[in-house]
Amino acid sequence: GQQLNQSPQSMFIQEGEDVSMNCTSSSIFNTWLWYKQDPGEGPVLLIALYKAGELTSNGRLTAQFGITRKDSFLNISASIPSDVGIYFCAGTHNTNAGKSTFGDGTTLTVKP
Amino acid sequence: GAVVSQHPSRVICKSGTSVKIECRSLDFQATTMFWYRQFPKKSLMLMATSNEGSKATYEQGVEKDKFLINHASLTLSTLTVTSAHPEDSSFYICSARDRSGTYEQYFGPGTRLTVT
Repeated sequence: GQQLNQSPQSMFIQEGEDVSMNCTSSSIFNTWLWYKQDPGEGPVLLIALYKAGELTSNGRLTAQFGITRKDSFLNISASIPSDVGIYFCAGTHNTNAGKSTFGDGTTLTVKP
Repeated sequence: GAVVSQHPSRVICKSGTSVKIECRSLDFQATTMFWYRQFPKKSLMLMATSNEGSKATYEQGVEKDKFLINHASLTLSTLTVTSAHPEDSSFYICSARDRSGTYEQYFGPGTRLTVT
């Protein structure tokens, strides 16, 4: 089946620093989604990407759908303490009944 | 928009009993809902895909007779953990897709199940 490699697994950064994380796959996807999960909560959708090469921003967050359709990255600029959480990428292919394949997550810790 | 609720948020039950978890899309209609299980510090493990008006599709290794799924309407899906055992203790999360056809999934807040 399709698998995603998400990296890094964890990050410890200082408040104000920029963050970058990415997901790669051996398979192509039609959609890339990025989610954030706070402890004890369900994931919240941050950004959805639908076209190869697409670059989309949501406040301090920017994500891109790779040209090869096999990768995506998420950048967070000027991190703040509330950015702490687990970030998941998810890829969906329209031949997979709409099911998303999730990465293993990147745990972000921001030190004030 | 795109709000999904889950009930209960926490439940403790005794071994051998059954527990029902509800997932509702509050402000949109969801033809498809998904049920996930998440272990501590782990990713989301898809258990089954729930389609309104039809039988759920279970992922390999998930017992359909143990995890009963019913998607009775466009806004409600239920997961029943039957004859629960301590190893069923976990965080269960549902998600819903808007019938408009995009692949975006909107997640509920999760249900923490503890089986004693």
